[in-house]
Amino acid sequence: EIVMTQSPATLSVSPGERAALSCRASQSITTNLAWYQQKPGQAPRLLIYGASARPTDIPARFSGSGSGAEFTLTISSLQSEDFAVYYCQQYYGWPLTFGQGTRLETK
Amino acid sequence: EIQLLESGGGLVQPGGSLLLSCAASGFTFSNYGMTWVRHVPGKGLQWVSTMGGRYGTTHYADSVKGRFTISRDNSRNTLYLQMSSLRAEDTAVYYCAKDRSDNSAWPLDYWGQGTLLIVSS
Repeated sequence: EIVMTQSPATLSVSPGERAALSCRASQSITTNLAWYQQKPGQAPRLLIYGASARPTDIPARFSGSGSGAEFTLTISSLQSEDFAVYYCQQYYGWPLTFGQGTRLETK
Repeated sequence: EIQLLESGGGLVQPGGSLLLSCAASGFTFSNYGMTWVRHVPGKGLQWVSTMGGRYGTTHYADSVKGRFTISRDNSRNTLYLQMSSLRAEDTAVYYCAKDRSDNSAWPLDYWGQGTLLIVSS
């Protein structure tokens, strides 16, 4: 099983500032990495797939980078609606696995 | 507009069974894999099971293998999860999600609103 480790567990950032969230895989997953945003009481939403591709409805302030085993989700200028929990997920192989999540909170 | 609507959650005693359903609309259901993911309150997301669209290939997490069965009816655009021998640790919100493609592991591009399962005596 590929273990996904996210850091930090909680990130405190002020609105308008930049946030960088990390995700590490226990082995190379090439670029088979997705990021999801989840707000309380809501379903997760796909933000990034293929490590860096963005669905058409996702704002450009969200960007993903990395390959192999190290990945980063960057939010360039935090808006109030961006404070949520973020999960990375590998789809390189079965079982699909998620990181434990990073909670992005207002500083 | 793509929509996924789960139903069937509820309170079940340990050892009991329950069937979850997910009604899909807005896309050609048979062309896509479909996945169940659960969210344990206060914890993270856990993949449960995936079923392919055209060939029906299934995959399960070890924690549910032999107890849960995923299935789909492409004529009714509906995904199912038959759960048996339920345990307290199965308590979670269960989400149905659409795979971005078919016949392999893919990111999950649309999610339902979830249905809550509570396993308790």
